[in-house]
Amino acid sequence: DVVMTQSPLSLPVTLGQPASISCRSSQSLVHSDGNTYLNWFQQRPGQSPRRLIYKVSNRDSGVPDRFSGSGSGTDFTLKISRVEAEDVGVYYCMQGTHWPRTFGGGTKVEIK
Amino acid sequence: EVQLLESGGGLVQPGGSLRLSCAASGFTFSTYGMSWVRQDPGKGLEWVSSISDSGSLTYYADSVKGRFTISRDNSKNTLYLQMNSLRADDTAVYYCAKAWSSIDYWGQGTLVTVSS
Repeated sequence: DVVMTQSPLSLPVTLGQPASISCRSSQSLVHSDGNTYLNWFQQRPGQSPRRLIYKVSNRDSGVPDRFSGSGSGTDFTLKISRVEAEDVGVYYCMQGTHWPRTFGGGTKVEIK
Repeated sequence: EVQLLESGGGLVQPGGSLRLSCAASGFTFSTYGMSWVRQDPGKGLEWVSSISDSGSLTYYADSVKGRFTISRDNSKNTLYLQMNSLRADDTAVYYCAKAWSSIDYWGQGTLVTVSS
């Protein structure tokens, strides 16, 4: 199985400051169709997960442009350019290239 | 607007069975693979199972293989998860999710509690 390793586990951030979350996979996430199915989800307290980014760097409709995704192969990053109070929650990466699908363990973003 | 509405969760004894349903609307259900993902309360996300658009292909996590069965009825726009031989470690919120490579929508979840 592909292991998805996220860091850090917890990320205290000052409002208005940037934040960065790393996600590393144990195998390349490049699919035979040429796509890299690496997704990022945000889960606010008490809510269902919401997709922010798909295929490494594509932002979903309605997602603020302060969120960006980057990376390739086995090394990926989610960045928040300026953290706002509504960004508090847990962020997960997920690979959709290999079976079984696997998630990272999550990164809890909180305000300092 | 895409909507996924799960039902069928509840309290069940170890060794028992439950069938979860997910009513989908707002998109052409029959053209999308679908998935189930679960979450222990207060813990991370675990993929459980996925099914292709036609239902001909199914995939399972090792932790549920042989006990859970995913299926769909495209005429009713409904996804199912039949869960047998339930164990305490199956206790979780079960989410229905649209797609299987780039999950884009999630339901609100239904809680399954396995306890005597």
